[in-house]
Amino acid sequence: QKEVEQNSGPLSVPEGAIASLNCTYSDRGSQSFFWYRQYSGKSPELIMSIYSNGDKEDGRFTAQLNKASQYVSLLIRDSQPSDSATYLCAVNFSGGSNYKLTFGKGTLLTVNP
Amino acid sequence: DTAVSQTPKYLVTQMGNDKSIKCEQNLGHDTMYWYKQDSKKFLKIMFSYNNKELIINETVPNRFSPKSPDKAHLNLHINSLELGDSAVYFCASSQGGPADTQYFGPGTRLTVL
Repeated sequence: QKEVEQNSGPLSVPEGAIASLNCTYSDRGSQSFFWYRQYSGKSPELIMSIYSNGDKEDGRFTAQLNKASQYVSLLIRDSQPSDSATYLCAVNFSGGSNYKLTFGKGTLLTVNP
Repeated sequence: DTAVSQTPKYLVTQMGNDKSIKCEQNLGHDTMYWYKQDSKKFLKIMFSYNNKELIINETVPNRFSPKSPDKAHLNLHINSLELGDSAVYFCASSQGGPADTQYFGPGTRLTVL
């Protein structure tokens, strides 16, 4: 069973701080990794995708991928109250399961003003 | 201009009934998905369709039957509804496979009484 693990939280940070969200996955051959944000009562929306080892930055968001450690993270700099949401890590596993995304259970982030 | 739309938004019904949820995307995407999100917010793939062909059936009970009349539409019919079917069902689409960005519909909250 290929799995994606996340700390469920909740993770609480003060406004302006860096929020760090972590995710591990079970299949070393995986190639595609995603972070989705889901506000309460809304649908998931893509924040970042990452395919290569290292960092990928987009505005206040940085995704970090380490395939050797099977670890992907999302850093949110200068956190804002509007960042308060559940963050879902998703992995496109290799092999027979490769026509789907497997999601983690999500980390609830609260940014306090 | 809603990219991925679902109807209805809310569905309340009795155990044993049969119900359908409709999904349409106007993005010209080739692949569509159904996800189930339970009360603990765990988002799990149910079906993947590519150009009207079923690609993934994630060990979903036979009571669930997806139908794709064309690549812009993916409907979900559920027979003999059970209490455990209560959840939010999301439709999504992507240009190619799941390594492409997935766009989610607004969700259908199904409550089985």
